[in-house]
Amino acid sequence: AQSVTQLGSHVSVSEGALVLLRCNYSSSVPPYLFWYVQYPNQGLQLLLKYTSAATLVKGINGFEAEFKKSETSFHLTKPSAHMSDAAEYFCAVSGALFEKLTFGTGTRLTIIP
Amino acid sequence: DGGITQSPKYLFRKEGQNVTLSCEQNLNHDAMYWYRQDPGQGLRLIYYSQIVNDFQKGDIAEGYSVSREKKESFPLTVTSAQKNPTAFYLCASSIRTGDGYTFGSGTRLTVV
Repeated sequence: AQSVTQLGSHVSVSEGALVLLRCNYSSSVPPYLFWYVQYPNQGLQLLLKYTSAATLVKGINGFEAEFKKSETSFHLTKPSAHMSDAAEYFCAVSGALFEKLTFGTGTRLTIIP
Repeated sequence: DGGITQSPKYLFRKEGQNVTLSCEQNLNHDAMYWYRQDPGQGLRLIYYSQIVNDFQKGDIAEGYSVSREKKESFPLTVTSAQKNPTAFYLCASSIRTGDGYTFGSGTRLTVV
């Protein structure tokens, strides 16, 4: 079975600072990994996905994530935070192409002006 | 444009009443999912369907029911047996898991 742990339910960064949201996974097989973003009272939007191609994955809105097998991690980063990045972020994992996703509990990102 | 439509956006229900949440997709996706979201608990899977006329229970199916009579539709009924139904409900679909899910904009259900 697959699982994912997001470290830090709340993260605050200053505008212009580095954003780092942590995600560690557990999977018995090579995983498919995803990051989603959710704005208040909206559905989730796919930011980026890892599907065994390049280990550094670039997504929308300037976000990227690096798959590190040795650390079982898939942390999300953005070099410079913008006020519009304030949202909740979810990491998700799947162990097979047609297996349903398992979501983390989410990290709420606050941007300090 | 293709996507998932959930309706209504806000729904109020009296205790003891059943209510049905609509989810329609025009993406030609085979799989559809219902999640419940509560503050601090992330997304919890209620039901999912990988093909028409077939569906499986998720982690918190008690008090809920679904049907999948058409590929594009996956309605969720919240029954009176659900003890704490007030929550944000999200519907999603996928052609295959490796492509990720497409989510609807959600329905916020409040029991009054």
